[in-house]
Amino acid sequence: DAGVIQSPRHEVTEMGQEVTLRCKPISGHNSLFWYRQTMMRGLELLIYFNNNVPIDDSGMPEDRFSAKMPNASFSTLKIQPSEPRDSAVYFCASTRAGQETQYFGPGTRLLVL
Amino acid sequence: QKEVEQNSGPLSVPEGAIASLNCTYSDRGSQSFFWYRQYSGKSPELIMSIYSNGDKEDGRFTAQLNKASQYVSLLIRDSQPSDSATYLCAVNSDGYNKLIFGAGTRLAVHP
Repeated sequence: DAGVIQSPRHEVTEMGQEVTLRCKPISGHNSLFWYRQTMMRGLELLIYFNNNVPIDDSGMPEDRFSAKMPNASFSTLKIQPSEPRDSAVYFCASTRAGQETQYFGPGTRLLVL
Repeated sequence: QKEVEQNSGPLSVPEGAIASLNCTYSDRGSQSFFWYRQYSGKSPELIMSIYSNGDKEDGRFTAQLNKASQYVSLLIRDSQPSDSATYLCAVNSDGYNKLIFGAGTRLAVHP
């Protein structure tokens, strides 16, 4: 089975540009999580979805961040406008209903200049 | 604010020794506890989960939980250089699989 798929794997952009990160969860998984990891703050949960519905977005740092899950097999995390402090590794993870093990994607390494 | 605390390390142990990693959490209502391993430049992967007080063993790994003390630990027996990684403690307390991660402990196993 394919694991969680994220794209792009690396993104370098300039401050002020829009950035869109994409995630395809494991087939059959109904919960999807977006995390951000930095040296300073560790692994932080940004938002998570259950059956495509956002359950908790309290970790989204500010209005520049938005996330959508239009269907069970696709989610996006958008940053507009991007800032240098958004530079981090962004992970997507998914889990199956009734289970707690989260499977992480390979991450997107974002650098905002 | 629910918190999960870990010593950042690095924890350095010789090959073949027992590595002991510790974690405390603030939410007394937490029900599920996890240890993830993360190699440098890679994504976290689950190595152990524990839900009840006591010990749970899986191969060279043993997770220990003490809910009264709000403490969870991970022991790695016969440590190998390939165990060198950052170990993340995670706690689930909301029923929707929302995990709160600690900052991680970096383990270095030297030959």
